[in-house]
Amino acid sequence: QKEVEQNSGPLSVPEGAIASLNCTYSDRVSQSFFWYRQYSGKSPELIMSIYSNGDKEDGRFTAQLNKASQYVSLLIRDSQPSDSATYLCAVNSRYGGSQGNLIFGKGTKLSVKP
Amino acid sequence: NAGVTQTPKFRILKIGQSMTLQCAQDMNHNYMYWYRQDPGMGLKLIYYSVGAGITDKGEVPNGYNVSRSTTEDFPLRLELAAPSQTSVYFCASSTGTVVFTDTQYFGPGTRLTVL
Repeated sequence: QKEVEQNSGPLSVPEGAIASLNCTYSDRVSQSFFWYRQYSGKSPELIMSIYSNGDKEDGRFTAQLNKASQYVSLLIRDSQPSDSATYLCAVNSRYGGSQGNLIFGKGTKLSVKP
Repeated sequence: NAGVTQTPKFRILKIGQSMTLQCAQDMNHNYMYWYRQDPGMGLKLIYYSVGAGITDKGEVPNGYNVSRSTTEDFPLRLELAAPSQTSVYFCASSTGTVVFTDTQYFGPGTRLTVL
């Protein structure tokens, strides 16, 4: 059974701090890694995707991937109260041969305190 | 574009009843997905489709059926509802062009309670 593990939190950081969210995955052949943000009662929305080892930056968000360690992380710089949400890590897998299927972690709840 | 739409938003079913959750997308996406999300849990894939007429099981297909007669629509059928099917159901779609890099776009969800 392929798995994606995340700390459930809650992770509480003060406004302006860096929030660090971590994720490990079990399937060594996974090729693509995604971070989705989900506000309470809403649907997930994609905020970052990463496919190669190293860092990928997009505004205040940085995704980091280490395939050897099967580890992916998301850093949120200058955290804002509006970043308070659950962050879902997702990794591609193959059900029935399709590489587009995703396995999701349980999510880390982030709370940014003003 | 409306994106991915789902109906109904909320529904309460009695044990043993059946219903169909509707999902439609207007982005001409080939791939469509159904997930369920239980409280405090991630999303679990129920069924997916790579194009009209083609569907396949995901991780948790028992108790559900799907069909895909058009590119736009991907309904999820619950037969003989059980309390274990109480969940929030999300439909998603993606282009299917470079599959493993595709972004999945999610609908607003259907909150289902089975009593």
